[in-house]
Amino acid sequence: EVQLVESGGGLVQPGGSLRLSCAASGFTFGSYWMSWVRQAPGKGLEWVANIKHDGSDNYYLDSVKGRFTISRDNTKNSLYLQMNSLRAGDTAVYYCARGGGNFEYWGQGTLVTVSS
Amino acid sequence: DIQMTQSPSSLSASVGDRVTITCRASQSISSYLNWYHQKPGKAPKLLIYAASSLQSGVPSRFSGSGSGTDFTLIISSLQAEDFATYYCQQSYVTPRTFGQGTTVEVK
Repeated sequence: EVQLVESGGGLVQPGGSLRLSCAASGFTFGSYWMSWVRQAPGKGLEWVANIKHDGSDNYYLDSVKGRFTISRDNTKNSLYLQMNSLRAGDTAVYYCARGGGNFEYWGQGTLVTVSS
Repeated sequence: DIQMTQSPSSLSASVGDRVTITCRASQSISSYLNWYHQKPGKAPKLLIYAASSLQSGVPSRFSGSGSGTDFTLIISSLQAEDFATYYCQQSYVTPRTFGQGTTVEVK
């Protein structure tokens, strides 16, 4: 059974940093593109970033470029999102998802709240 | 960026109804169109990929059609578990973009 479990969310002040993690199981992690998708409270879905199966390529939403870094460790079946210079507008539930185009499996999400 | 526009934004329906949701892209995306639904407090679930391919395990009452800029999701006979918010999403280019969502509510 495919499982994606996010962790690392929490309350952070504007300008602060957080590192999200996503632990994958039930599939050959190193064979798939992976993505982060977020959802602000009461709002729709917004793609944030994705990374190629071997980590050699990645893409970002313009508003997070230079602030967020997606990475992966295929030896640990894990996906990461390093978030720096956080803003109030980054407040959202962050989902890890399998796939780079369509998102076939999703984690349960982790809430990031940026507030003073 | 490609803008995805869904209509309607919400609709009221009854169990057994046929429900149609449309999605329009701001430029041609061929058949790179996916549909999800999401229940409150839960993660989205992929229903349809590549405009018309049914994701494994998804009931056959869901179907998708379209290409280019205009797409449709049809639920042939609405069931109680289908009351949710539906999103379309293009996977033609980066950034991947979603429609604003269509909420299917109990009539």
